[in-house]
Amino acid sequence: SQKIEQNSEALNIQEGKTATLTCNYTNYSPAYLQWYRQDPGRGPVFLLLIRENEKEKRKERLKVTFDTTLKQSLFHITASQPADSATYLCAPPRGGFGNEKLTFGTGTRLTIIP
Amino acid sequence: EAGVAQSPRYKIIEKRQSVAFWCNPISGHATLYWYQQILGQGPKLLIQFQNNGVVDDSQLPKDRFSAERLKGVDSTLKIQPAKLEDSAVYLCASSLEESGRYEQYFGPGTRLTVT
Repeated sequence: SQKIEQNSEALNIQEGKTATLTCNYTNYSPAYLQWYRQDPGRGPVFLLLIRENEKEKRKERLKVTFDTTLKQSLFHITASQPADSATYLCAPPRGGFGNEKLTFGTGTRLTIIP
Repeated sequence: EAGVAQSPRYKIIEKRQSVAFWCNPISGHATLYWYQQILGQGPKLLIQFQNNGVVDDSQLPKDRFSAERLKGVDSTLKIQPAKLEDSAVYLCASSLEESGRYEQYFGPGTRLTVT
């Protein structure tokens, strides 16, 4: 069956270090993948979309990689700050071209320790 | 630009009662989604509308859940009768187009507690 796994439920990182979150998916091959951030009591907020022909994508301190061979996406936050503390969700869509439906992982709760 | 609006923000009901949630998407967004997010899990798609037509409701428990999007703008999601396992946050989202290639904009959600 198709599965999405995010590396851990919770990750604690010292301020200033790089946080790396992992998203693995099995038994399907999405053409792209989205990452969202969710703060407590709020809806998810879109961060980045990476396509299968893009090895890497950057936005300010964020970097996402997409390895279709390993069926894995890595999400990096460099120079992490306490304000980066949140739950991060990966969403590789399922379905055929033009009929893709976002499917969310369970999320990784990131805490940046001052 | 106004975001996705949802109401109420919180609701507590007893099992077997009914409840309705309302969503107003971002103006001009053709696609509207309802998700269920159980504590500790990611959002799970319940139903997707394109304008006022249903695109996907394969994961909607149709014996108790119903949704409509009249005039292709606002939407309501109803649960009747509610069960304990329906306790969750119900998120509404909208996007410009129906393809998953477009980012989705989420509302703040409605936290439902069924006792």
